[in-house]
Amino acid sequence: DIQMTQSPASLSASLGETISIECLASEGISSYLAWYQQKPGKSPQLLIYGANSLQAGVPSRFSGSGSGTQYSLKISSMQPEDEGDYFCQQSYKFPYTFGAGTKLELK
Amino acid sequence: EVQLKESGPGLVQPSQTLSLTCTVSGFSLTDYSVHWVRQPPGKGLEWMGVMWSGGSTAYNSALKSRLSISRDTSKSQVFLKMNSLQTEDTAIYYCTRPGREPHWFAYWGQGTLVTVSS
Repeated sequence: DIQMTQSPASLSASLGETISIECLASEGISSYLAWYQQKPGKSPQLLIYGANSLQAGVPSRFSGSGSGTQYSLKISSMQPEDEGDYFCQQSYKFPYTFGAGTKLELK
Repeated sequence: EVQLKESGPGLVQPSQTLSLTCTVSGFSLTDYSVHWVRQPPGKGLEWMGVMWSGGSTAYNSALKSRLSISRDTSKSQVFLKMNSLQTEDTAIYYCTRPGREPHWFAYWGQGTLVTVSS
């Protein structure tokens, strides 16, 4: 199975701060990577797919980049509503696998 | 509007079989795949398996010996059955569907918490 190593495990950011979350795949995944946001008690929400495509309705302060085995999610200006857990997911090979998650909090 | 909703027992005894139903609306099961993903409380996400639009299935090899996914297209329902449940199977179970792109989960059910306990 492809292992997805996500970092950091937790992050505290100030209002308006730019933050990045990284995901490292155990082998190349050819940009078959998505990012999800999950708020407490809610289902995950798709933010980014194909490594850098913004899902409809997601604010433009979210962006994704990367290739090969290294990918990142950037939030360009932290907002209170961005607090939550973030997960990466590869769909290059079955079984689809997820990163362990990053907990993002507002400082 | 695309909707998915999971239903099933909230409590299952160890060694018993879990049966969950995902009832969908706003699309046809013959047009889109439906996947099952679970999340132990406070932990990460695990892909379990998929019912493809054509009716075939694929499973996570870690669960394959215990897991079965089926469907009833006339009722717009996808079923998950998993046997020999243990406490580590305690989780929120989600059914989810890709959007226009087939690899990403754009639509999710609300999830249903299953607790394995005697």
